[in-house]
Amino acid sequence: DSGVTQTPKHLITATGQRVTLRCSPRSGDLSVYWYQQSLDQGLQFLIQYYNGEERAKGNILERFSAQQFPDLHSELNLSSLELGDSALYFCASSVAAGGMETQYFGPGTRLLVL
Amino acid sequence: QKEVEQDPGPLSVPEGAIVSLNCTYSNSAFQYFMWYRQYSRKGPELLMYTYSSGNKEDGRFTAQVDKSSKYISLFIRDSQPSDSATYLCAMSEGNTGGFKTIFGAGTRLFVKA
Repeated sequence: DSGVTQTPKHLITATGQRVTLRCSPRSGDLSVYWYQQSLDQGLQFLIQYYNGEERAKGNILERFSAQQFPDLHSELNLSSLELGDSALYFCASSVAAGGMETQYFGPGTRLLVL
Repeated sequence: QKEVEQDPGPLSVPEGAIVSLNCTYSNSAFQYFMWYRQYSRKGPELLMYTYSSGNKEDGRFTAQVDKSSKYISLFIRDSQPSDSATYLCAMSEGNTGGFKTIFGAGTRLFVKA
C-alpha cells in the first residue's frame, strides 16, 4: 500500500458525461501528479500540482481539468467524455516537486465510457 | 517518433535467468532516469532511479544509463517468478518550476518457475 488513495475504483459512464476523480496524497506529500494509462498509449503524464499550484503540464486535453485543494487532495475533472477516454487514471504523490522525487502511485480509477 | 521507446515484449525467461530490459530516448533534455515495476491491476512502484551516466546497483537490480547513446537498461539477476510484472522506464525533464515525466510503453516480463 503506497499511502495514496483514489476514489472511485471503478466508474462506468456514457459519452458526453462529466466525471470527477479524487486523489488523496500520502501524508506529508505536497506534490500530486495525474496520469492516464491505456493499452495503446501507455502511461501518459497529464498534470502536476505542488502545494495547490499547477507546476507542469503534459498531454492533458482541454476537456480535462484538475485542481489541488488546501488540504492537498486533488481532483481530476473529465468532461464531454468520449469512448477513447476509457482508461486507467492514476494519481501519484511526492514530497516535493523535483525531478528526482520518488512518486508513489495510487491504485488507480478505472474509467469505462460507453 | 516517440520520445521514449521501449519494447513491449512479452519477455519470457526461466527462473534464475538474467533479464535485460532496455529503453532508448530522443530528448537530450532528460535529466533523471527511473525504472518502475507494475503488477497487474496495481499502480507502478519505483524500483530505481539515477541521474548520471553509469551503473547503479540495488540487490538483484542494476540500472545503467548511457547518455551519449541515449540508452538505459535494467538488469535483473537471479530472476524469480515474483519478478513477473510490467517494467516501465521513465525519464524526467524540467527545472525547479516543475518536471515532466515521460514513461516508456512498458515491457511485460514472465519468469517461469
